[in-house]
Amino acid sequence: QLQLRESGPGLVKPSETLSLTCAVSGGSISSSSSYWGWIRQPPGKGLEWIGTIYYSGSTYYNPSLKSRVTISVDTSKDQFSLNLSSVTAADTAIYFCARLTYALGFDYWGQGTLVTVSS
Amino acid sequence: DIVMTQTPLSSPVTLGQPASFSCRSSQSLVHSDGNTYLSWLQQRPGQPPRLLIYKISNRFSGVPDRFSGSGAGTDFTLKISRVEAEDVGVYYCTQASQVPYTFGQGTKLEIK
Repeated sequence: QLQLRESGPGLVKPSETLSLTCAVSGGSISSSSSYWGWIRQPPGKGLEWIGTIYYSGSTYYNPSLKSRVTISVDTSKDQFSLNLSSVTAADTAIYFCARLTYALGFDYWGQGTLVTVSS
Repeated sequence: DIVMTQTPLSSPVTLGQPASFSCRSSQSLVHSDGNTYLSWLQQRPGQPPRLLIYKISNRFSGVPDRFSGSGAGTDFTLKISRVEAEDVGVYYCTQASQVPYTFGQGTKLEIK
């Protein structure tokens, strides 16, 4: 069974960079049919797609965040990472990592990690 | 961006009764490959989203057959034939036909 787990600091100061990692187990991040993504959810609100990466390193970002987002992949460790720069309180959210396949959409999700932006 | 609009925002339902959720996209979700990448997610309280339905009407592995999806083009529906207590949560439609991928605002299912 594929499993994803997010890790990273739960508190980030305004103007700093939010950094999270998603570890994939029970399957290979280099699967040709899989893309890997980040989605966030402000407390009590809906879901927002941040971006997606393929194991080759190809990335797709939400234009609303593109200037601040970098997603990278480490196939040797079966993990991928999110960096979001110049954060503000509006970036406070639960951050989920998930697998995306063209046929199924977002089919496997991590438990999510709450990141609070505050001084 | 494709805007996904869900109605109603809240749906109080009696246990054992059916429930229906609507999702409308601002433009057609038919991909250039002919498929429609519309899926439905369930998010129970305190849990991550869970895939229920993909490509409009296909149930994901382990999803009970009381869940069904239908629709085409820009109008889609998720139905629960008989609501159970474990179905409480928020239901989101989402599209992966065009980047940026987008989600509806969610419909909250509550038990009367």
